[in-house]
Amino acid sequence: DAMVIQNPRYQVTQFGKPVTLSCSQTLNHNVMYWYQQKSSQAPKLLFHYYDKDFNNEADTPDNFQSRRPNTSFCFLDIRSPGLGDAAMYLCATSRETGDTQYFGPGTRLTVL
Amino acid sequence: AQSVTQLGSHVSVSEGALVLLRCNYSSSVPPYLFWYVQYPNQGLQLLLKYTTGATLVKGINGFEAEFKKSETSFHLTKPSAHMSDAAEYFCAVSDRRGFGNEKLTFGTGTRLTIIP
Repeated sequence: DAMVIQNPRYQVTQFGKPVTLSCSQTLNHNVMYWYQQKSSQAPKLLFHYYDKDFNNEADTPDNFQSRRPNTSFCFLDIRSPGLGDAAMYLCATSRETGDTQYFGPGTRLTVL
Repeated sequence: AQSVTQLGSHVSVSEGALVLLRCNYSSSVPPYLFWYVQYPNQGLQLLLKYTTGATLVKGINGFEAEFKKSETSFHLTKPSAHMSDAAEYFCAVSDRRGFGNEKLTFGTGTRLTIIP
């Protein structure tokens, strides 16, 4: 019954070592989002895809990239993680932009 | 531009007491409004939403919220708190206009603690 799946749930990487987080959905939604959430803060939108169209937030660092090879999957690539990138990363989907977003369980990233 | 203000970053209530979490919004168009709940180390779960129609919206786990346009508010209530309600609650607004680039704007969250 899981609708938005994120793998892994916990990821540990080393400073500067590239890491990829995965998100998949069974809802067939058009839009997929990636958020970064630091402790006791609201989720911060990094970027979203509307189908294959990529929309980057103006303040998202270049260190963060994303790929959406098909409707179901979306990946978050962090090219050179810094200590400040340690956070919970949340994937969400919606049928259309502005509609209800459905969130995955998140991946907690630790940077050593 | 749209924005959300959640009054009170921490709220504590006794088990069985009324829960009231406050949310005020600003939007240049009729908004869509949402309440999400987040348990530790989990994603966000939709509690309820307002789009159009009836202004009193009922959600899961006994929560409800009322959209008051004149007060630009969307406060979340539950008549009787349960220990399992302890979590972080986020109010969010969307200004859906059909342009294809609308986003959710989240409030800063309210941590709800239930006192046994």
